[in-house]
Amino acid sequence: GNSVTQMEGPVTLSEEAFLTINCTYTATGYPSLFWYVQYPGEGLQLLLKATKADDKGSNKGFEATYRKETTSFHLEKGSVQVSDSAVYFCALRGGVQGAQKLVFGQGTRLTINP
Amino acid sequence: SAVISQKPSRDICQRGTSLTIQCQVDSQVTMMFWYRQQPGQSLTLIATANQGSEATYESGFVIDKFPISRPNLTFSTLTVSNMSPEDSSIYLCSVGGASKLAGGTGELFFGEGSRLTVL
Repeated sequence: GNSVTQMEGPVTLSEEAFLTINCTYTATGYPSLFWYVQYPGEGLQLLLKATKADDKGSNKGFEATYRKETTSFHLEKGSVQVSDSAVYFCALRGGVQGAQKLVFGQGTRLTINP
Repeated sequence: SAVISQKPSRDICQRGTSLTIQCQVDSQVTMMFWYRQQPGQSLTLIATANQGSEATYESGFVIDKFPISRPNLTFSTLTVSNMSPEDSSIYLCSVGGASKLAGGTGELFFGEGSRLTVL
């Protein structure tokens, strides 16, 4: 079935550092890919998405590119802020098998120090 | 995007009791999903609830433990039955647009979640 593998956490960075959180997936067909963010004590929010190969999703300075050849969707940000401290989840939905289900990676806890 | 309201937002429950979580959406949706997030873990799909039919449960989840109702296109309930401390989790209701297979972009939107602590 479909699956998502994320970079192990936790990740701790200093403010203004460059961020990469790796995400790879396994799926049949052409799924949509997502990054969700969960701030402390809050619900899950959609951060960005990409629906086909070579699409780049972007929001709030974060970017991720749908790479079909490497089955990856790595999250990047050029200069992180303390307010970016949260748990980040990579997810996929669609393809062929289990098309209606949103499948999540294990999550990566990010802490940004001032 | 849809606005999703869940009740209760949190509760402390005694072992052996049952609790029903309500999910209200501000628009009509075909599919609603119930997820569980155990402490420090990712989200796991419990079941998919379609209006007018039985919920479809994922492997490891059964109707007797997690009965679901879907009486109309804007509302659903999830009951956690005969609770034990292992059921302490955040339970999240989710709805979304059409999947890619159906011509949409596939994102799901989530409620704030219901945080249950079982003593």
